[in-house]
Order: sequence, then C-alpha cells, then structure tokens
Amino acid sequence: NAGVTQTPKFQVLKTGQSMTLQCAQDMNHNSMYWYRQDPGMGLRLIYYSASEGTTDKGEVPNGYNVSRLNKREFSLRLESAAPSQTSVYFCASRGGPRAWDTQYFGPGTRLTVL
Amino acid sequence: SQQGEEDPQALSIQEGENATMNCSYKTSINNLQWYRQNSGRGLVHLILIRSNEREKHSGRLRVTLDTSKKSSSLLITASRAADTASYFCATDVNNDMRFGAGTRLTVKP
Repeated sequence: NAGVTQTPKFQVLKTGQSMTLQCAQDMNHNSMYWYRQDPGMGLRLIYYSASEGTTDKGEVPNGYNVSRLNKREFSLRLESAAPSQTSVYFCASRGGPRAWDTQYFGPGTRLTVL
Repeated sequence: SQQGEEDPQALSIQEGENATMNCSYKTSINNLQWYRQNSGRGLVHLILIRSNEREKHSGRLRVTLDTSKKSSSLLITASRAADTASYFCATDVNNDMRFGAGTRLTVKP
C-alpha cells in the first residue's frame, strides 16, 4: 500500500495562475481532508469530504475549491493564486475497517506563489 | 481560529527525562488526537482519546483528557533523541479537525 500520495511535491506559481493539487489514497478510506501549514504553525483545515459525494468547508476555505472525484481521490484547486497561499499543503484520509479514527497524512506539497 | 492551543511552545530536555505537553481547547469535542511531525515531513498519528475517556497509554506515551477543563496533556517518558519533533493536538468535532500551533520538543543526547 502506498498510503496517501500527493502530487506535485513542489510548485512555484505566479500571482493569478491556477493549479490543482492531487491527492489519492489506497486504504479504502471514507473521509479525506486538505490542510495548509504555514511556517511555525499548526495545520488549518481547508476543506474536507466525509464521504464520497460530499464536501464541507473547514477553517480557511476562501480561495480554494475541492472535488471528491471518487472514493480514492480528492483534489484541491487554486483558481487565482495569491502570495498569501504560499504554504505547505497536506492531504489526509481516515475511515477504514481497523483505523476509523486515525488520520493518515501524505508527504505534502510545498507551494510558493510569487 | 485554531481550536487547540499547546503549551509550552518549545521544550528542551535531556535524554532520559520526561516531557509533558499541554493542550487546551474551546468547544465540546468527539475526541482529541496527538500527532508528531518531524521537520519537513507529514504528520504521524500518535494516540487518540475519546471524550468519555480520561487516560490512555501507548508505549512511552500517556495522554490525559479533562473535558471539564477542556484540556489534555501528553507525557513522553524516558525521552530519546529520536523524539525530537513538533507535537500537535487536534480536536475532532464531527469530522471538522482543528490543530493547535504545536510544541517543539528538543531532546538532547
């Protein structure tokens, strides 16, 4: 099992450009999450999907959109990137036969917006 | 705003000593979780304590939860240099996860 994978690992954008961050999990988990982590801070929830077909806003959803493409994949889109969106983005999943409450995190995407 | 607040922000101890980190939160929760993050890496789940539990152990980790005070503590006993990392508490309210800013633990060999 690969667990939670994220692509790309690094990205540099110019202000106003758009991009989609991809996340996939192979653990048959129901719930998936997108977080951002700014230097010296904890994670802040952007959006989450409790189950396939549903998405909900988290703490900091402005400037982002998400798509729960299927049970495996949950993408995060920046329509018009801003320097304030420079951050490390983590995807996570949870909800399986033996690990319902544990979140499993991907390695992160480091995004810089110039 | 962030739900969990860790205290202290930074902690430096010698190998073999115990490390205690505290977390306070603001609203009722389903459960509270502790995670570790090594520099530049993703988070690793350490332990979860449900709202109806008061104490939980896992190896060298001991977590307590006081829902009346809306606080939790993480104790790492007999610390090792490999325990050097940032530790975060996270509250879970119906799938809405909120993390604190973390405690940076340094264990000196």
